[in-house]
Amino acid sequence: QEKVQQSPESLIVPEGAMSSLNCTFSNSASQSIWWYQQHPGKGPEALISIFSNGNKKEGRLTVYLNRASLHVSLHIRDSQPSDSAVYLCAVSMKVSGGNYKPTFGKGTSLVVHP
Amino acid sequence: GALVYQYPRRTICKSGTSMRMECQAVGFQATSVAWYRQSPQKTFELIALSTVNSAIKYEQNFTQEKFPISHPNLSFSSMTVLNAYLEDRGLYLCGARGGQDSQNTLYFGAGTRLSVL
Repeated sequence: QEKVQQSPESLIVPEGAMSSLNCTFSNSASQSIWWYQQHPGKGPEALISIFSNGNKKEGRLTVYLNRASLHVSLHIRDSQPSDSAVYLCAVSMKVSGGNYKPTFGKGTSLVVHP
Repeated sequence: GALVYQYPRRTICKSGTSMRMECQAVGFQATSVAWYRQSPQKTFELIALSTVNSAIKYEQNFTQEKFPISHPNLSFSSMTVLNAYLEDRGLYLCGARGGQDSQNTLYFGAGTRLSVL
């Protein structure tokens, strides 16, 4: 059973700052790691994914994956008030039948104040 | 684009009764559907993983007898909460993926919020 832990539980940053969110998982054989953004009253929306060790950049987002330490982080450069949301880390494991089972963390609540 | 619609958005049922929620994928073929519950304590629990034309796999603590799921085609899935009680309250989310590759994006609906009186 994959375990996914996120930290911090909540994060408050000023507009323009870097927001850094962390996620640890329990199984180095996990296939992929996704970060989702969830605004109040809405379902999670996929932001960025990473499959190989190293980093990946998309716009203001950078994600770092270190399989050896079972750690992945998401960094949001130049944070904006519109980035305020809950960020969920999801780790996928291959299961029987060829499907992938995503396990989610509890999320980090990010507030960016003007 | 790929969208997932869930309905109803909110529902209230009496303790011991049942309610059915639906999930519709638009713009892609939902070969795989995952049903989750997001509880008031913010825990994000996987209920079951469904692939068209394959058996539905339920997670520990969730059973077909309590949460029967139907996934008859590539655009639709439904789940029923039978004999709902207070502990079944929460936001039920449907995540659909077009393909079984972990690199395929999981698209979520806005959820069905269940309240139990």
